[in-house]
Amino acid sequence: DQQVKQNSPSLSVQEGRISILNCDYTNSMFDYFLWYKKYPAEGPTFLISISSIKDKNEDGRFTVFLNKSAKHLSLHIVPSQPGDSAVYFCAAENTGTASKLTFGTGTRLQVTL
Amino acid sequence: NAGVMQNPRHLVRRRGQEARLRCSPMKGHSHVYWYRQLPEEGLKFMVYLQKENIIDESGMPKERFSAEFPKEGPSILRIQQVVRGDSAAYFCASSPPGLGNYNEQFFGPGTRLTVL
Repeated sequence: DQQVKQNSPSLSVQEGRISILNCDYTNSMFDYFLWYKKYPAEGPTFLISISSIKDKNEDGRFTVFLNKSAKHLSLHIVPSQPGDSAVYFCAAENTGTASKLTFGTGTRLQVTL
Repeated sequence: NAGVMQNPRHLVRRRGQEARLRCSPMKGHSHVYWYRQLPEEGLKFMVYLQKENIIDESGMPKERFSAEFPKEGPSILRIQQVVRGDSAAYFCASSPPGLGNYNEQFFGPGTRLTVL
């Protein structure tokens, strides 16, 4: 039962362009969403988050959009840089219960020169 | 280094042996979480602990796995009588107390367990 889905296992984007990573969820009890970035042989690094009372949160080059009615969120990176090449995980939490995160399977982003 | 510390980074065990994974949370953090990542999959929640208490162990296999977070010292994830299917990356995360419901979890570098 995959409650958080990232349907694109990989994405290739040219440097300077926009990267858009998508995530869908099925559990309507989720009310907090996070994006993590992961390099090989390292732990995930927190990037940006959004609570369900908002539809957008921006931090520098990173913006997360939340569409609650569609149970969909997306991460926009603009402009994309080669150092952004990594695996990106979407995660969701039901803050009314214990604070465990439910992760998607990840999207591998490759930013090319 | 004020980040989440995990050791060992790599651990090789033969089937039937015990694996013991350690996690020291970030300074000031009292909540610890363990996740497991199988190859080509996302991270799966295992257990959530606070000092001397298991808060949620709904992701832990019923047998052979246990976790603790003692009053002093690191959190320990113990796997008894390991099998090949236990081979995975095990990540620990920590979060601070008292920031309301919206807590980012900060992850350690992981322990890669290989069972021969």
